[in-house]
Amino acid sequence: DTGVSQNPRHKITKRGQNVTFRCDPISEHNRLYWYRQTLGQGPEFLTYFQNEAQLEKSRLLSDRFSAERPKGSFSTLEIQRTEQGDSAMYLCASSFRNQPQHFGDGTRLSIL
Amino acid sequence: DQQVKQNSPSLSVQEGRISILNCDYTNSMFDYFLWYKKYPAEGPTFLISISSIKDKNEDGRFTVFLNKSAKHLSLHIVPSQPGDSAVYFCAASDRNSGNTPLVFGKGTRLSVIA
Repeated sequence: DTGVSQNPRHKITKRGQNVTFRCDPISEHNRLYWYRQTLGQGPEFLTYFQNEAQLEKSRLLSDRFSAERPKGSFSTLEIQRTEQGDSAMYLCASSFRNQPQHFGDGTRLSIL
Repeated sequence: DQQVKQNSPSLSVQEGRISILNCDYTNSMFDYFLWYKKYPAEGPTFLISISSIKDKNEDGRFTVFLNKSAKHLSLHIVPSQPGDSAVYFCAASDRNSGNTPLVFGKGTRLSVIA
């Protein structure tokens, strides 16, 4: 069990730029989730996949956000035209069957 | 509108004593609850869970109690150890499983003092 891996760990970018984050889940896990956490808050659900199918998206996920899981393995989360309010920790989690979600250490996004 | 509420931002407990962390929820559709622990610069780590068909679940030093009528759950840690110092998040699901989208509280920072 190598754990959920997220890259990069920290991303600093200027407002208006596009950013992409990557998540590699635990190898046999078929479900993959994206959450966002801001200071003083708990994680907030963004979207999740079962294999390559995107099953659900939160109302929080604006049109500037897109997520993919092309072969049912790793996933990417892209944010276009970043805004100050996008500054947050982006957490990825994965799970298998009825087991609890395992989280990665997150990607911290800072918008200048 | 917070559906999962952890009203105590922080808690300090002496080593060896009991730590009790509380969580309230407003959505009566929630039927599965989890506690996660988070250390600085790390992602949340699963601790313990409980289904709404139970009122208690125990795993070593950790016990979760669920009071459905009050929409309240609590996590008991006994005895508390310095390594338990972390932020604890309560989370809930409305699909009777931990492998579905979760709704989290804001967390409670536990400090265990030696």
